[in-house]
Amino acid sequence: DAKTTQPNSMESNEEEPVHLPCNHSTISGTDYIHWYRQLPSQGPEYVIHGLTSNVNNRMASLAIAEDRKSSTLILHRATLRDAAVYYCMTSYDKVIFGPGTSLSVIP
Amino acid sequence: KAGVTQTPRYLIKTRGQQVTLSCSPISGHRSVSWYQQTPGQGLQFLFEYFSETQRNKGNFPGRFSGRQFSNSRSEMNVSTLELGDSALYLCASSQWDRGYTEAFFGQGTRLTVV
Repeated sequence: DAKTTQPNSMESNEEEPVHLPCNHSTISGTDYIHWYRQLPSQGPEYVIHGLTSNVNNRMASLAIAEDRKSSTLILHRATLRDAAVYYCMTSYDKVIFGPGTSLSVIP
Repeated sequence: KAGVTQTPRYLIKTRGQQVTLSCSPISGHRSVSWYQQTPGQGLQFLFEYFSETQRNKGNFPGRFSGRQFSNSRSEMNVSTLELGDSALYLCASSQWDRGYTEAFFGQGTRLTVV
C-alpha cells in the first residue's frame, strides 16, 4: 500500500528556518509532490509543489531528493502566522496525503 | 476573484439517509476534487473530475459518488449514510487535473450522521 509519513509535530523559534520532512517511498515517476497547510476550521491552503527539481516561491522552498522518495518543505523565516498543520501530498493516478505535521512557532 | 464555495457548511443527517453536497469552483477552473477529513484517518481522496469526466478515484465504497456539470460545478452524494461517514468534506478546484497545478480548497461541509 502507498504510504506517506511525516513527523507528528515540530517546533521552531520565530524568525528561524524550519525544515519539514516527508517520506513518500512508494511515489511513482509521474506523481507530483504538493505541500498544503491548514489552520483550524479552514480548508487547506496551497504552499508549493514540484515534480523533480527543487522549487522556490514567495512562501517557501521545496527540496526534492534525487530518488524522489522524500522531500523537505523549507520555511526560511518562521513567523507566528506559519503555525499550522502541514501536509505533504503526492498526486497523479493516486492522491495520497501524509498524516500532517503540526508546527508550533515560539515567539 | 471568488474562492471555492461549498454548501451547505453544516449538515446533520440520520443513519440510512442520503446526502448531496455542492461545490462551486473558482471561475475558469476545470478540475474539482473531493476529500474526506476525519481525526482518525486524516485527509483521504474521494475522486476528481475534469471537464465532466471522473479522472481519478480513491478507495471508497460505491455509496460515495459524484458528478460535474458543464459549468464545472460539482456535487457529491453519499447514500445509505453510516455513523462513520461523519466527517469534514472538502472540495478543491484547480486549472488542470492530476496535480499539475495548485489546488484551492473550500472551507468544507461538516457532516454529522446520527
